[in-house]
Amino acid sequence: DAKTTQPPSMDCAEGRAANLPCNHSTISGNEYVYWYRQIHSQGPQYIIHGLKNNETNEMASLIITEDRKSSTLILPHATLRDTAVYYCIVRVREQAAGNKLTFGGGTRVLVKP
Amino acid sequence: GAVVSQHPSRVICKSGTSVKIECRSLDFQATTMFWYRQFPKQSLMLMATSNEGSKATYEQGVEKDKFLINHASLTLSTLTVTSAHPEDSSFYICSARDAQNTGELFFGEGSRLTVL
Repeated sequence: DAKTTQPPSMDCAEGRAANLPCNHSTISGNEYVYWYRQIHSQGPQYIIHGLKNNETNEMASLIITEDRKSSTLILPHATLRDTAVYYCIVRVREQAAGNKLTFGGGTRVLVKP
Repeated sequence: GAVVSQHPSRVICKSGTSVKIECRSLDFQATTMFWYRQFPKQSLMLMATSNEGSKATYEQGVEKDKFLINHASLTLSTLTVTSAHPEDSSFYICSARDAQNTGELFFGEGSRLTVL
């Protein structure tokens, strides 16, 4: 799985959009970009994933650059409950190893009132 | 969405005893489950891949005789920490793949083990 680089932490204001960057310059053509988040003392929660097109769901939007070397997760209106560690992971969606996910350090996001 | 449940959510045990943690996929079948360990302020570290009906595959550095994994059915995997010591105190998290639908991975709520 390709390595990802994320800022270790960031603060954002409640009600504002939170833009979380992720660099994955060695991503392969068949690797997807996945985002998970982990609220304190809970298991990771799936947010969104994409291959090359931008994606949006009820939780967030995912913007992937044309060269696919970086992406941005957008939380459109951050709330205090969005405070969590956000993990960006790139991996082949189907693989013989059984879809195991390797977690990096993630970005610790603190939403402030 | 798919639900993965872990039990117990918290357990405290004495040093030298064994502790079993269960991971269940509640509304889907999971031929493969994964066990992670997370120390405070650190990321999740994959310990092993649990395969239904066969032996688990352990990551480098994880002692298979200490962390026994059993995946006897398509909805249940168990992790047993044998002869637990204080350094085994950690947050243990399982995940399961919904192979029949999206193939995505879903995580349990985690189990916090404290060894006294």
